[in-house]
Amino acid sequence: EAGVVQSPRYKIIEKKQPVAFWCNPISGHNTLYWYLQNLGQGPELLIRYENEEAVDDSQLPKDRFSAERLKGVDSTLKIQPAELGDSAVYLCASSLAGYNEQFFGPGTRLTVL
Amino acid sequence: QKEVEQDPGPLSVPEGAIVSLNCTYSNSAFQYFMWYRQYSRKGPELLMYTYSSGNKEDGRFTAQVDKSSKYISLFIRDSQPSDSATYLCAMSRSGNTPLVFGKGTRLSVIA
Repeated sequence: EAGVVQSPRYKIIEKKQPVAFWCNPISGHNTLYWYLQNLGQGPELLIRYENEEAVDDSQLPKDRFSAERLKGVDSTLKIQPAELGDSAVYLCASSLAGYNEQFFGPGTRLTVL
Repeated sequence: QKEVEQDPGPLSVPEGAIVSLNCTYSNSAFQYFMWYRQYSRKGPELLMYTYSSGNKEDGRFTAQVDKSSKYISLFIRDSQPSDSATYLCAMSRSGNTPLVFGKGTRLSVIA
């Protein structure tokens, strides 16, 4: 069974540029999460989806971040415009509905210059 | 005070040692407790999952939860160089709620 797939694995951009990350969860997992992990820190939730619906986006900086999960499968996280402080690893995770066991992808490492 | 506290280390042990990793937490509503292992430049990998208080063993790994003390532990027996990684504790209140992570403890097992 394939795990959570994320792309790109690495991204380097200039500040003020837009950037997008893509996630394909484990097949059959209704719940999808985007986490942010800064260096030396644990992951912190940005947004959680139940199927197509964003049910917890209180930590998403909505002035520059947006996310979507069309058709309840793949998801895209976008930053526009990127700032220096956005340099971090963006992790996607998925789980079965009602279960806590979350499975993570390899992450996208973003560097903003 | 953060909801979940974890000593970031680094922790360095000789091969074959017993490793003890710990987290404390402040939110008594947490009921689900997990340990993830994260190798450098990889995503977190679920190692152990426990519900409420008690012990759970899986091979060389044992997870303990003491809800009365708000304290969880992960023990690694007969540690191997391949166990060298960052270990993250995580917990949540109920099913499908976001995980709250500790900072992670960086472990090095020296051959």
